[in-house]
Amino acid sequence: GGIITQTPKFLIGQEGQKLTLKCQQNFNHDTMYWYRQDSGKGLRLIYYSITENDLQKGDLSEGYDASREKKSSFSLTVTSAQKNEMAVFLCASSIRDRGLAEQFFGPGTRLTVL
Amino acid sequence: GDSVTQTEGLVTVTEGLPVKLNCTYQTTYLTIAFFWYVQYLNEAPQVLLKSSTDNKRTEHQGFHATLHKSSSSFHLQKSSAQLSDSALYYCALRDYGSSGNKLIFGIGTLLSVKP
Repeated sequence: GGIITQTPKFLIGQEGQKLTLKCQQNFNHDTMYWYRQDSGKGLRLIYYSITENDLQKGDLSEGYDASREKKSSFSLTVTSAQKNEMAVFLCASSIRDRGLAEQFFGPGTRLTVL
Repeated sequence: GDSVTQTEGLVTVTEGLPVKLNCTYQTTYLTIAFFWYVQYLNEAPQVLLKSSTDNKRTEHQGFHATLHKSSSSFHLQKSSAQLSDSALYYCALRDYGSSGNKLIFGIGTLLSVKP
């Protein structure tokens, strides 16, 4: 088994601020993902990284940057926080194989922008 | 492009009664891999069921689902709901049109089980 750790658990920022969220996994998975979770909108993919030196944009990448520092870690940066924004950001990882290979999720970072 | 539809945002059921959460999909691919994820309050989403075989019933933790390619559906069912089943449920379709083992998620259905 393994675990995904996300830091911080809660993040409070100011409008216009650059904010960084971090994710670590010890599954030894190749692929990592960042999702945004909003009520009534499901899980929307922001960025993903297939292998250590790869970075791919998802459907919601505008306003975000990402960095895959090493195989076990994947960071997400909110480039300019929007006033009154509230969302949960989920990190996930998986093996590269397709089919029924599942994604494993971390507990999330809850963002509030004042 | 491919899509997943969960028609109910909230399903409320009385403890002990059956429950069904609907999920349909659209895809141009013949190969299908489908997942149900469950997210309990303040926890990470986790896989509940998964399947890639047409017309085969898959079961876990009292829940079951059958992938029906003829109707493009993978509904989640349980014969007797428990209070502990209250959670957010997502269905997800493997995105074979892209790299990276991506999943296409529905918007989620919140299941509330009442005493």
